[in-house]
Amino acid sequence: DGGITQSPKYLFRKEGQNVTLSCEQNLNHDAMYWYRQDPGQGLRLIYYSQIVNDFQKGDIAEGYSVSREKKESFPLTVTSAQKNPTAFYLCASSIVTGGKHEQYFGPGTRLTVT
Amino acid sequence: AQSVAQPEDQVNVAEGNPLTVKCTYSVSGNPYLFWYVQYPNRGLQFLLKYITGDNLVKGSYGFEAEFNKSQTSFHLKKPSALVSDSALYFCAVREGNAGNMLTFGGGTRLMVKP
Repeated sequence: DGGITQSPKYLFRKEGQNVTLSCEQNLNHDAMYWYRQDPGQGLRLIYYSQIVNDFQKGDIAEGYSVSREKKESFPLTVTSAQKNPTAFYLCASSIVTGGKHEQYFGPGTRLTVT
Repeated sequence: AQSVAQPEDQVNVAEGNPLTVKCTYSVSGNPYLFWYVQYPNRGLQFLLKYITGDNLVKGSYGFEAEFNKSQTSFHLKKPSALVSDSALYFCAVREGNAGNMLTFGGGTRLMVKP
């Protein structure tokens, strides 16, 4: 988990509220990613960013938004439009060039919406 | 499109016995293959990767994996399992020269019994 922090570890919200998950890295990585993990479904990519002020949708971007104003930070907002937001959210980062480099993951945030 | 399959939801092995966690992949070009481990309520930890070269790759904690191009497989192995190896294991694939996006398998839960 070293080098990437996610806060908080557990988050509880009422249905209809937007919530923002924090992700910070001190690895000087250009690329950052957000994944959602549900039991038995592995990891699914929500959004990714390869450079400051630019980001792309992943496989399940609907109901989520991101920003990348600083290299170190890639916050994820879960909006009220996300129909099933309860999940474990993982942030990751990597070196961009060549695609040969592994991704480093944060400890995750477990979001529960009731 | 790239994809990866982990055919076993769970693998049970006795402590001291060898273990194998299976992974098969599908890409159009050359694959970059990765194994990660996840302990409960934690982020993913990188174990090892295959980029090119020797088909047998050695990684962290005594794990190794064998790349088999003809069978499109990248099985994770360890000669002697420890109870502390019990965790969730993910295989991931990236097609070479196709950016930095990883596609993850659904995960395999490894249970090592004393």
